[in-house]
Amino acid sequence: GEDVEQSLFLSVREGDSSVINCTYTDSSSTYLYWYKQEPGAGLQLLTYIFSNMDMKQDQRLTVLLNKKDKHLSLRIADTQTGDSAIYFCAESKGSSASKIIFGSGTRLSIRP
Amino acid sequence: ETGVTQTPRHLVMGMTNKKSLKCEQHLGHNAMYWYKQSAKKPLELMFVYNFKEQTENNSVPSRFSPECPNSSHLFLHLHTLQPEDSALYLCASSQDRGLQEQFFGPGTRLTVL
Repeated sequence: GEDVEQSLFLSVREGDSSVINCTYTDSSSTYLYWYKQEPGAGLQLLTYIFSNMDMKQDQRLTVLLNKKDKHLSLRIADTQTGDSAIYFCAESKGSSASKIIFGSGTRLSIRP
Repeated sequence: ETGVTQTPRHLVMGMTNKKSLKCEQHLGHNAMYWYKQSAKKPLELMFVYNFKEQTENNSVPSRFSPECPNSSHLFLHLHTLQPEDSALYLCASSQDRGLQEQFFGPGTRLTVL
């Protein structure tokens, strides 16, 4: 299977919370990332988490890491129309974590 | 603006054409990357350059030929491509190879007829 897996689509109502899920395979991954890609643009790093952490919060963003299940999630509170984008989960690989492996991306769409 | 620019933004080429994609970063970074983004597939790392030296070639077909003349510029030379090579090609840079945040350009949308 793929190294990093995500569902392709998520639709939420404006103002609700969005939860984007990701599973990865490399238990030795040191860092896990969430990148955001807006239409017509490249990827931008949203947040990252060290593998020895369970949770990281940054304003409306909460990252949860379940290392046992190799499961990563991104929660966006009070989702706004500007949050519409593709969200990529990624893990670091290699002895010096020199390689970043991306998932297929989850397209988040916002309903009024 | 991420400090990484790519030209052209769109390119249509026939299978017998030769073209080049250009990437430039204004961030003083030492590592640069080429990725291929296809619909519904994971972002694929193609090449990595660190201090102008190629450090990674992810089994990319020889019809894609990278060139890194200096730490600020990265090219991807294309020749005799196939329709399945149509994709968004993204360039990225980071301070050094490794865990640092990668800054991405907007990509070149390539269509091979």
